[in-house]
Amino acid sequence: QKEVEQNSGPLSVPEGAIASLNCTYSDRGSQSFFWYRQYSGKSPELIMFIYSNGDKEDGRFTAQLNKASQYVSLLIRDSQPSDSATYLCAVAGGSYIPTFGRGTSLIVHP
Amino acid sequence: GAVVSQHPSRVICKSGTSVKIECRSLDFQATTMFWYRQFPKQSLMLMATSNEGSKATYEQGVEKDKFLINHASLTLSTLTVTSAHPEDSSFYICSADGTDQSKGVNYGYTFGSGTRLTVV
Repeated sequence: QKEVEQNSGPLSVPEGAIASLNCTYSDRGSQSFFWYRQYSGKSPELIMFIYSNGDKEDGRFTAQLNKASQYVSLLIRDSQPSDSATYLCAVAGGSYIPTFGRGTSLIVHP
Repeated sequence: GAVVSQHPSRVICKSGTSVKIECRSLDFQATTMFWYRQFPKQSLMLMATSNEGSKATYEQGVEKDKFLINHASLTLSTLTVTSAHPEDSSFYICSADGTDQSKGVNYGYTFGSGTRLTVV
């Protein structure tokens, strides 16, 4: 069974700090990796996707992928209170059916 | 960007009645849509995968006769909760597959805004 593991948190960081969110996955055949943000009571919204090993940056967000270690992470620089949410890691393989992690709750305190 | 419209956003119904939830892709054709349910402070639970023009594929433990899914066109998928009971109260979310089949690239899954169902 394909599994995606995330620490449920909460991860608490001060405003302006770097928040580091981690995700591991079990299926070595996974090809596509996604990070979603979900505010309480709302549906998930896509932050970033990454396919290749290495880093991918988009504004304050950086996704890091290491397929050998089956590990994907999301860094949020200059964290803001508005970044407080649950962050979901999703992984998909050739079938394109995604497997979601349980999410990590992030709290950015002023 | 891709937009998925989901209606209604909230619905309260009496036990034993049926509720239909619609999910439309507004600016793209969604060959595949996914239906999830999410309980408070819980993770997304995939209920079924819906492919246009064919029967939905349900996840283990999901009653296909209770949760009827219809994906009659490339822009519309519906989920009908039949004979709803209080334990069906949940947040239901649809998601469209963002895969470009011609390129074999998955650009991500676009979620609808969700439907909060309360069965009384």
